[in-house]
Amino acid sequence: KQEVTQIPAALSVPEGENLVLNCSFTDSAIYNLQWFRQDPGKGLTSLLLIQSSQREQTSGRLNASLDKSSGRSTLYIAASQPGDSATYLCAVRNRNFGNEKLTFGTGTRLTIIP
Amino acid sequence: EAQVTQNPRYLITVTGKKLTVTCSQNMNHEYMSWYRQDPGLGLRQIYYSMNVEVTDKGDVPEGYKVSRKEKRNFPLILESPSPNQTSLYFCASSLGGAGTGELFFGEGSRLTVL
Repeated sequence: KQEVTQIPAALSVPEGENLVLNCSFTDSAIYNLQWFRQDPGKGLTSLLLIQSSQREQTSGRLNASLDKSSGRSTLYIAASQPGDSATYLCAVRNRNFGNEKLTFGTGTRLTIIP
Repeated sequence: EAQVTQNPRYLITVTGKKLTVTCSQNMNHEYMSWYRQDPGLGLRQIYYSMNVEVTDKGDVPEGYKVSRKEKRNFPLILESPSPNQTSLYFCASSLGGAGTGELFFGEGSRLTVL
């Protein structure tokens, strides 16, 4: 059974700093990994999708990497801003025994201090 | 505007009173799924549908039903709600199944069962 872990559960950093969020998973037979952000009381907004054949994806100040063999992904946020404050979730997509499975981590709550 | 729409957004009901949470997407996506989000447990998949008339169980299907009679709609049915189904529910869709799917989420439906 796939397990997805995000550490730390919460992180506070001063505005302007670069930071890295971590996601690890136990079953490396994945189709893809997706990073989301969730604002309080809101739905999930897709940030980056990395297919299993890819090593990284970039969008603006965000860069996500994937190391399937070690079961790890990182989300790098450059020059953090207060608007980046949110909960960040990673999710991996597997196929196990004919069932399409999407497993989420429990998230990292990020606070950017002005 | 491309979107996933859920209704209702907020609902308080009583044990045993059947309810339906609707989900509709306007992106011609084949894949749709339902999740529930609970503190400390993260997001867990309830049911998913790879295409019209094709549905399958996720990790926590007990107490829920779904149907996929047409591509754009994927309602979640609680035949006899119980207090342990109090949760925040999300519907999501993607163009295809594994390997093709950036997931797009609805805004969520907060359900309270008394």
